[in-house]
Amino acid sequence: GQNIDQPTEMTATEGAIVQINCTYQTSGFNGLFWYQQHAGEAPTFLSYNVLDGLEEKGRFSSFLSRSKGYSYLLLKELQMKDSASYLCAAMDSNYQLIWGAGTKLIIKP
Amino acid sequence: GAVVSQHPSWVICKSGTSVKIECRSLDFQATTMFWYRQFPKQSLMLMATSNEGSKATYEQGVEKDKFLINHASLTLSTLTVTSAHPEDSSFYICSARGERAPYEQYFGPGTRLTVT
Repeated sequence: GQNIDQPTEMTATEGAIVQINCTYQTSGFNGLFWYQQHAGEAPTFLSYNVLDGLEEKGRFSSFLSRSKGYSYLLLKELQMKDSASYLCAAMDSNYQLIWGAGTKLIIKP
Repeated sequence: GAVVSQHPSWVICKSGTSVKIECRSLDFQATTMFWYRQFPKQSLMLMATSNEGSKATYEQGVEKDKFLINHASLTLSTLTVTSAHPEDSSFYICSARGERAPYEQYFGPGTRLTVT
């Protein structure tokens, strides 16, 4: 079956670094997405990885290992506004997104 | 980036009535649109996938006669919740995908439905 696993909740301190992990199993693979979702709002796109390695975009970086079925989202210099849920989604061979349950990130001052 | 709008952003209706939610791609042609439902503190649940001009494909457990989806044009899809009940109260989100980038989905802002 198809499955995405990510931690339910994480807590970090303002200014620190946090890594949110995601493992996936899909029928075929067309890339791994990370979305940010604030409470009561729709998800917003953060990153897309289809090749192995690290993609850096400002304070956010995303890593992919296809052989391990593993990805992580790295957030640096955490700000209070980064408090949100982070959704990992893998795209299968039909270009359909398989969603994780999301990781709620709590930032403390 | 591509913009997707939804209307209304929130709606309150009485049990037994029907509600229509519109999803529009504003600056690109959406060959495929997706409808999601999200309950509080839960992840997105895909309800159905619709391709322009053809019938929607519903996920297992989603009643197609209750959640009517029409993708009449390349810029508009509608979801009608028929005979709504309080358990249908949820956050409904659409997303759209164009031919240019089949691996990108652009999300609408969502519609909060409350059935009393």
